[in-house]
Amino acid sequence: SQQGEEDPQALSIQEGENATMNCSYKTSINNLQWYRQNSGRGLVHLILIRSNEREKHSGRLRVTLDTSKKSSSLLITASRAADTASYFCATDAVPGNTGKLIFGQGTTLQVKP
Amino acid sequence: KAGVTQTPRYLIKTRGQQVTLSCSPISGHRSVSWYQQTPGQGLQFLFEYFSETQRNKGNFPGRFSGRQFSNSRSEMNVSTLELGDSALYLCASSPGQGVATEAFFGQGTRLTVV
Repeated sequence: SQQGEEDPQALSIQEGENATMNCSYKTSINNLQWYRQNSGRGLVHLILIRSNEREKHSGRLRVTLDTSKKSSSLLITASRAADTASYFCATDAVPGNTGKLIFGQGTTLQVKP
Repeated sequence: KAGVTQTPRYLIKTRGQQVTLSCSPISGHRSVSWYQQTPGQGLQFLFEYFSETQRNKGNFPGRFSGRQFSNSRSEMNVSTLELGDSALYLCASSPGQGVATEAFFGQGTRLTVV
C-alpha cells in the first residue's frame, strides 16, 4: 500500500512561478526523499531529508519536514519548462537497514513557457 | 560511474508466458530493489536483494520472483503473465548499508502483456 499521499495530484503553472507540492505519510520514518520522473522514464533523486532535520535546500529546491504532522513539502522556485515532470515523495518507513522505499502517488507538474 | 542499466527497455509478451528482466546496479552497490509502476497503483515495491539475499518483499503473488548474483546484478522473473502485469518495472540500486539512502534508478523496462 502507498505510504504517502501527495497533494495536489496535478499542478500547472507559468514559467518563473514557484511550485509547491505536499506529501503526507503514515508511519515513523528515518528519512524522506523526493524524486522526479520525466514521462515514462526512471526516477531521479532530488533531495533527502532526515527525520531530525526540518528544512533542506538544494539549488532551487527547498524541502521541509514536519514529523509531528507526518508531512513534507517540496518547493521549486523560479520554475522552468524543464521542471515539467512527476514528483514523488518516498519514505523508508521500515525501521532498520533496508533499501525499501514507499512512494506517494505523485504530483504531476506542468510548467508552461 | 556507469548508472543503473536495465534490459531490455521494452518487451511485449503474451498472456501465460514468462519473462525475465535484468538489472545491473552501480558498481559497488550491493542493494537492488525492484518496483512496479502502473497508472492505477503507482509505484509499488516488489522486493529488495542485498548481497544475494532477499531482504524485503512486497505484497505481490508468487509469480513474481527475483534473484541477485555475486556481482550484485539482479534479475526478476514473472511467470504466467497476466494482462495486469503490464507496467513499467524499475530497478534501483543503493549502497545498502545502514539506513536507507539515495536510490539510483534505471530507465525501466516497459512490459506489455497482450
